[in-house]
Amino acid sequence: DIVMTQSPDSLAVSLGERATINCKSSQSVLYSPNNKYCLAWFQQKPGQPPKLLIYWASTRESGVPDRFSGSGSGTDFTLTISSLQPEDVAVYYCQQYYGTLYTFGQGTRLEIK
Amino acid sequence: EVQLVESGGDLVQPGGSLRLSCVVSGFTISSSYMSWVRQAPGKGLEWISIIYNDGTTYYAESVKGRFTISRDNSKNTLYLQMNSLRAEDTAVYYCARDSHMPYWGQGTLVTVSS
Repeated sequence: DIVMTQSPDSLAVSLGERATINCKSSQSVLYSPNNKYCLAWFQQKPGQPPKLLIYWASTRESGVPDRFSGSGSGTDFTLTISSLQPEDVAVYYCQQYYGTLYTFGQGTRLEIK
Repeated sequence: EVQLVESGGDLVQPGGSLRLSCVVSGFTISSSYMSWVRQAPGKGLEWISIIYNDGTTYYAESVKGRFTISRDNSKNTLYLQMNSLRAEDTAVYYCARDSHMPYWGQGTLVTVSS
């Protein structure tokens, strides 16, 4: 199975500042037919299902604010929130959907400093 | 409007069985990849199973041989048959659409305890 490792486990950022969450896959998740990475980012708030933010590593889901962006290549990926807002307090997960068995990272808890 | 509604969660004894349902509206499950994902209390997300549009199925090692994913196209409903349940299967179970999961249900709670 592909192991997804996020860092850090928790993060405290001041309002208006940048937040960066990292995700590393244990092997490549590059989908050759379209040369894109099978990597998604989710936001989960208490008592709610996860919400898709980013897919194909850098494509923002419809309706997601443009302060959220995804980047990365190879086996290293990043979710960036450019200017933290109060409603961004949540747990964030990366997920790989390459191959037949999908896996999530362990999650990163984002709080306000 | 796309909607996924899970049901069937309950308190069950270790070794018992349970079948979860996910009723879908707004799209056709037979033309979609559909997954089950679970979340133990206070823990992270764990993908456990998928059924492709062609009916092919895959399972995480943690549930392989005990859980079975299936669907009823006429009812546009996804199922998860769970057998030989263990305490560590206690979780909220979500159904989700497609590989990158843009749509999720609200989840149904399964508690395995004596």
